[in-house]
This record gives sequence, structure tokens and C-alpha cells, in this order.
Amino acid sequence: EAGVTQFPSHSVIEKGQTVTLRCDPISGHDNLYWYRRVMGKEIKFLLHFVKESKQDESGMPNNRFLAERTGGTYSTLKVQPAELEDSGVYFCASSPGQGASTDTQYFGPGTRLTVL
Amino acid sequence: GNSVTQMEGPVTLSEEAFLTINCTYTATGYPSLFWYVQYPGEGLQLLLKATKADDKGSNKGFEATYRKETTSFHLEKGSVQVSDSAVYFCALTSPYAGSYQLTFGKGTKLSVIP
Repeated sequence: EAGVTQFPSHSVIEKGQTVTLRCDPISGHDNLYWYRRVMGKEIKFLLHFVKESKQDESGMPNNRFLAERTGGTYSTLKVQPAELEDSGVYFCASSPGQGASTDTQYFGPGTRLTVL
Repeated sequence: GNSVTQMEGPVTLSEEAFLTINCTYTATGYPSLFWYVQYPGEGLQLLLKATKADDKGSNKGFEATYRKETTSFHLEKGSVQVSDSAVYFCALTSPYAGSYQLTFGKGTKLSVIP
């Protein structure tokens, strides 16, 4: 069974440009999460999808970030326009079923974003 | 709000040494507790978890016990190997958070030398 995949693995862009990150969850997993780790800080929650619906987007830092999950399969996270402080590693995770606090979340390898 | 505090590294140990990485938490109600590990060049993997008080999670020789009285979930291994070199993250989820988001500690980098 394929794990969570993310694309690209690395992205280097200039301030003001747009970047789109993609996450493909494990097949059949309805729950999809985005997290990010800024240098030297904790991994922070961004948002949670259940199928195509946003269950919780309380962690999204501002309106420059837009996440979508059309059709309830893969998800994209767009940053537009990118700022220097957006640099970090963006992780995607998925989990099966109805969702519960006891569930294991399965993580992808992350996308390292560098904004110059 | 929820928070996780874990000992900051880096931690360097010799092979076969005993490992403890301390983790304490603050959360509403009864959180589930997790240890994730990130090996070099890879994503986060679940190492072990415990979902209620006094539960012990274990995997690959690692253990952690959910201690509600001390709000702790310390990670231990009796004899580390070079292959255990990685970054270890303590994390929790709370059923009261509205969503099952993980709250992470800052991570502890472990290096095991032969």
C-alpha cells in the first residue's frame, strides 16, 4: 500500500511568487491534515479536511494560504504571494475512518519550501 | 490551550546506552499521546502511542507510559543502536480540540555513536 506522498520535495521561490504544494493521502483515508515546521519551531497544525470539507482551518496563518481538496482525494496548498516567513517544511498526514483523537496519522515526507 | 514540552537536544549517546527523552504535556481532558520519529531524509513515522492513563506504548524496544498524575509520557529505551539516530517528537491530540490535530513538542535530536 502506498504511503502519503507529497510533491515537490523541495521548492525554492522568490518573495512575491506563488507556490502550490500537493499531497496525495493513503487511498481511502478521509481525513487529511496539513502541518508545517518553521526553522527551530514546533510542527504546527494548519488545517484538517474530512473528505472534501474543511473540518478545521484554525491553524491557517493568513489569507495568503489556500487549501483545497476537490473530490476528497488529493489536496493542494497554495501560498500566494509567498513571504520570507513562509519558509519551512510542510507536512501532510492522513488517517482513516470517521476520525478520532486516538487515530494514528500517517505522514508524508514533507515539502521543503524556501522563500528568498 | 494544549502544549507539549520535551527535553531539547541534541542528545548524543554511545551505542548500548540507556535513553530517556522527557515529555510533559498540558491538555484539556484526556488526550491521546504519541511519539513520532523522523529518520534522516524521511517523513515522520509513528513510534508508539497510548490513549488512556497508565497505558504503555511500545515498539522497536522503545517504551513510554501515560502518566496522568504527572502529565508525562517519557520515552525510554534500554540499549540504543546507531540506527536509532533520528529526531523524536512527542505529541498529543485532544478530543476537545474540535479537530484531531496533533500538538507537537519541538523535537529532540538523538545521535548514537558506535
